[in-house]
Amino acid sequence: EAGVAQSPRYKIIEKRQSVAFWCNPISGHATLYWYQQILGQGPKLLIQFQNNGVVDDSQLPKDRFSAERLKGVDSTLKIQPAKLEDSAVYLCASSLVGTRAFFGQGTRLTVV
Amino acid sequence: DQQVKQNSPSLSVQEGRISILNCDYTNSMFDYFLWYKKYPAEGPTFLISISSIKDKNEDGRFTVFLNKSAKHLSLHIVPSQPGDSAVYFCAARFSNDYKLSFGAGTTVTVRA
Repeated sequence: EAGVAQSPRYKIIEKRQSVAFWCNPISGHATLYWYQQILGQGPKLLIQFQNNGVVDDSQLPKDRFSAERLKGVDSTLKIQPAKLEDSAVYLCASSLVGTRAFFGQGTRLTVV
Repeated sequence: DQQVKQNSPSLSVQEGRISILNCDYTNSMFDYFLWYKKYPAEGPTFLISISSIKDKNEDGRFTVFLNKSAKHLSLHIVPSQPGDSAVYFCAARFSNDYKLSFGAGTTVTVRA
């Protein structure tokens, strides 16, 4: 069974630039999560989708972050404009409804 | 507000000995607890979990203990093996909500 796919694996951008991350969840998984993991901290939930609807985006900095999940499958997370403090690993995870989540390898973002 | 805390950032143990990882939480409404293991450049992978109605769950070399009155759980790895060297995250969730609150992680190094 294929796992959660994320791209790119690494990205370096200058502050104030924009960046987008892509996630392809495990086939059939209705729930999709984006987490942000800053170095030395645990992952923090940014947004949770159920199919193509947002369940929870209370921790998403909406002035600069946006996410969408078109057709209830793939998802993109965008940051515009990026700040230095956005440097982190962005993890995508997916699950069947009501079950534990499987994580992708993450995208490591460095903002310089 | 950090609701799940792992106060030991690192742990070094000799191969064959027991590794004990600790986790404390502040919200008594948490209903389900999980441990994830993470290797460098990979996403977290599920290791073991425990429901709040239990005080112990065992899976091979891994045992998780839950002390609800103390809001404390621990992960025991016996015997520790070199392949166990990784970052271990404690996570918790509520019964009606599957998003996870993570601790900051404990880096385990198993010495040969």
